[in-house]
Amino acid sequence: DAGVTQSPTHLIKTRGQQVTLRCSPKSGHDTVSWYQQALGQGPQFIFQYYEEEERQRGNFPDRFSGHQFPNYSSELNVNALLLGDSALYLCASSFDNQPQHFGDGTRLSIL
Amino acid sequence: QKEVEQNSGPLSVPEGAIASLNCTYSDRVSQSFFWYRQYSGKSPELIMSIYSNGDKEDGRFTAQLNKASQYVSLLIRDSQPSDSATYLCAVAGGYQKVTFGTGTKLQVIP
Repeated sequence: DAGVTQSPTHLIKTRGQQVTLRCSPKSGHDTVSWYQQALGQGPQFIFQYYEEEERQRGNFPDRFSGHQFPNYSSELNVNALLLGDSALYLCASSFDNQPQHFGDGTRLSIL
Repeated sequence: QKEVEQNSGPLSVPEGAIASLNCTYSDRVSQSFFWYRQYSGKSPELIMSIYSNGDKEDGRFTAQLNKASQYVSLLIRDSQPSDSATYLCAVAGGYQKVTFGTGTKLQVIP
């Protein structure tokens, strides 16, 4: 039973560029949430997707956007990258208010 | 005031001792409470979930919840060096919007 998978594992971008991160949820899960984790901090909630719509959003600017596909997989897009966007980006999936399970994350470095 | 507060540590305990990790939260309507373990450079791993007041035990782990005091704790009995990690307290309201604390770093000394 495959868990939550994220790609790519690592990514290096420069300021001003755009990036797309991808997530496939655990089998049987229909809800995908994205988090940003800076070094030494806890994960910060970006947004959550359910039934292909953004259901909830954290305190992140519009540069952060996402999408959920009919197969429940999801993308996180970040435009106009800033140095402060350097972080570990985590995807978590869940079903019916059960606990979320995390993927291994994508480490994004902005130069 | 932070929504979920944890002492950042490090909390150092000798091998075989009980490690006690604490967390307070500010949103009184929170419904679900979780403890995740995160090894350095890895993603969080769910170790306990608790939804009602009282204690919940799973092996060497016991989660305790007191909604009146807005307090959640995690006890780790017979601590092992492999338990050395950062422990994240997480609190969820409706639709599983999960808010994490900054984590407590636990060091188990052999």
